[in-house]
Amino acid sequence: QKEVEQDPGPLSVPEGAIVSLNCTYSNSAFQYFMWYRQYSRKGPELLMYTYSSGNKEDGRFTAQVDKSSKYISLFIRDSQPSDSATYLCAMSFGGYNKLIFGAGTRLAVHP
Amino acid sequence: GAGVSQSPSNKVTEKGKDVELRCDPISGHTALYWYRQSLGQGLEFLIYFQGNSAPDKSGLPSDRFSAERTGGSVSTLTIQRTQQEDSAVYLCASSLARLPGSYEQYFGPGTRLTVT
Repeated sequence: QKEVEQDPGPLSVPEGAIVSLNCTYSNSAFQYFMWYRQYSRKGPELLMYTYSSGNKEDGRFTAQVDKSSKYISLFIRDSQPSDSATYLCAMSFGGYNKLIFGAGTRLAVHP
Repeated sequence: GAGVSQSPSNKVTEKGKDVELRCDPISGHTALYWYRQSLGQGLEFLIYFQGNSAPDKSGLPSDRFSAERTGGSVSTLTIQRTQQEDSAVYLCASSLARLPGSYEQYFGPGTRLTVT
């Protein structure tokens, strides 16, 4: 079993839809949780960064962490074609530590 | 400001040759990480440098892989006697890594390595 599980998709939605992306993990020691967006042939771009449980909102993006269920989510409101990319969840045990990534979910938002 | 830069952007090499990949972190970032992204394998950690501490090499897949960081800034990842399974995108990230918080890792564009 992988430490971080993420459905690879692809996920196809119409423009304006609310998108829900999720990851589950097995190690309760993870404390920092991140979401990255990666366009084709580009490096991952940090979208959201949260510590421990709770919600964090930034514009159209909301990140949720539920440590009791070992489950994290990223919601994208009013999705745009420019949101079409691969979304990677990542987590770490502590500040300096390496990131453990999910496999990434490919999202396509069509006009 | 300038982000993480990596060179070359693409590298094609013959099996058995050595390659060097370079990473320039964001100015002032003390932590530097190397990851590898392979098709079907996702992103996997290779090695991590933090200030003057000994690097965390726990992710290096074999002794053909090594990395160094000179002057606390630029890093070079070296792969000796390359094999076809080394073909991947090699990504570098850096982090400010100062208390409190600021552990976010920012990635470069990667070097796409193809071993023929």
